[in-house]
Amino acid sequence: QSVLTQPPSVSGAPGQRVTISCTGSSSNIGAGYDVHWYLQLPGAAPKLLIYTNTIRPSGVPDRFSGSKSGTSASLAITGLQAEDEADYYCQSYDSGLSGGVFGGGTKVTVL
Amino acid sequence: QVQLVQSGAEVRKPGASVKVSCKASGYTFTDYYIHWVRQAPGQGLAWMGWINPNSGGTQFAQKFQGRVTLTRDMSISTYYMQLSRLRSDDTAVYYCARGDCSSTSCSRGNWFGPWGQGTLVTVSS
Repeated sequence: QSVLTQPPSVSGAPGQRVTISCTGSSSNIGAGYDVHWYLQLPGAAPKLLIYTNTIRPSGVPDRFSGSKSGTSASLAITGLQAEDEADYYCQSYDSGLSGGVFGGGTKVTVL
Repeated sequence: QVQLVQSGAEVRKPGASVKVSCKASGYTFTDYYIHWVRQAPGQGLAWMGWINPNSGGTQFAQKFQGRVTLTRDMSISTYYMQLSRLRSDDTAVYYCARGDCSSTSCSRGNWFGPWGQGTLVTVSS
C-alpha cells in the first residue's frame, strides 16, 4: 500500500483533458514537501515529467501541467495523444518515514 | 550528457546476496546524492535509500534496513547497491536515480532524474 494515493487508471479520447490526483497526508504533501511526477513507458525507466509541483523539465510538452494544494497534488494532460499512454507516478518526501515516497501509479489509456 | 548506466541482469537463489552497480557520467560526481528505487513485476515504485557521494553516509527506508548496503567508488564514479538474504519477493527491477533540487527547494525534498536503465534481479530456487 503506497503512502501517496493515486487512481489506478484514467482514460480519455484523443484531444481530451485528463487529470491524475495524488493524495497524501500531513507528514508529506501537507507538510509542505514538493510533489514530482514521472512517466513510465512499458519496459522503460521512469522519466521526470514535472518537478517542484509545477515545473516542466526542458523537452516536456506544455500539455502536461502540475498543481498542488493542501495535502494533494494533480497532474493534468490536455490534448491527450496516443503517445501519452503510460504509467504516471507522483513522488514526495515523508518526514515520518524520513525518505522518499511514491504513489501507486496511474495507468493512462487513450481510447 | 548526464547518464547513469547500470550493470546487467542477475539471478540469485534465496538467501544469497546481489550487488548492482550504477556508473555516473556527465556531471560532477560529488555534487548529487544517488537514490535507489525498486519495482516488483507489475507493481509500483518503492524508494529504498540514498547515499551521499562525499561522506558515504546513507539513509534507508525502514523496510530495507539491515539488508541493503549502499557504497560508492569515487575513483570510477560508480555507485553500488548490495541486497543480502534475498527472498523471492525481492525479484524486481532496481533503479539508481540522481537526486536533485534547486537552491530554494532542497529543504522540501528532492526529485529524481535522470534514472539508470534498471537492473532486473530474479530470486529463484
